[in-house]
Amino acid sequence: NAGVTQTPKFQVLKTGQSMTLQCAQDMNHNSMYWYRQDPGMGLRLIYYSASEGTTDKGEVPNGYNVSRLNKREFSLRLESAAPSQTSVYFCASSDLTGVPEKLFFGSGTQLSVL
Amino acid sequence: SQQGEEDPQALSIQEGENATMNCSYKTSINNLQWYRQNSGRGLVHLILIRSNEREKHSGRLRVTLDTSKKSSSLLITASRAADTASYFCATDRDDYKLSFGAGTTVTVRA
Repeated sequence: NAGVTQTPKFQVLKTGQSMTLQCAQDMNHNSMYWYRQDPGMGLRLIYYSASEGTTDKGEVPNGYNVSRLNKREFSLRLESAAPSQTSVYFCASSDLTGVPEKLFFGSGTQLSVL
Repeated sequence: SQQGEEDPQALSIQEGENATMNCSYKTSINNLQWYRQNSGRGLVHLILIRSNEREKHSGRLRVTLDTSKKSSSLLITASRAADTASYFCATDRDDYKLSFGAGTTVTVRA
């Protein structure tokens, strides 16, 4: 099983450029998440989706938008990238709606904004 | 803001030794989870302990939870080179948010 697949793995953007990070899971999970990981800060939740068509903001949503295209796919869009968005981005999924008891993570997207 | 914080930040041990790391958190929880992250990879779920449990085992892993002290510990016994990774605790704060600490980096020397 592929699990959670993220694309691209690496990306370099210039300030002001836009891009979409793609995420797909093949486990029929209801909930999907986008996190960012910065050195010394752990993972911080950007957005969450409990089911197709629903999204909610996490701790650090500013500068990002998301789309839950269907049950499998959850994309993260940076409309106008800023250097502060340089980070490693992880998509995750869970088969529970509500308190997640086990998250399955993708391998991450390393994003640099110059 | 981070709910959980791991201690120590880094740990270096000899192969075969035990590794212990701790997690402290601030508010009441439903459960606490531990994850491992190998360099350049995503996090992998290791174990979950519920607030009404005090100890749980999974293979070479032993997790304890003390809700009165708002703390948990993860013990890895008989460490191997493959245990070299960062370890994160995660606690739930409300219905969907898991809060991750900054992690403990474990290096197992051959």
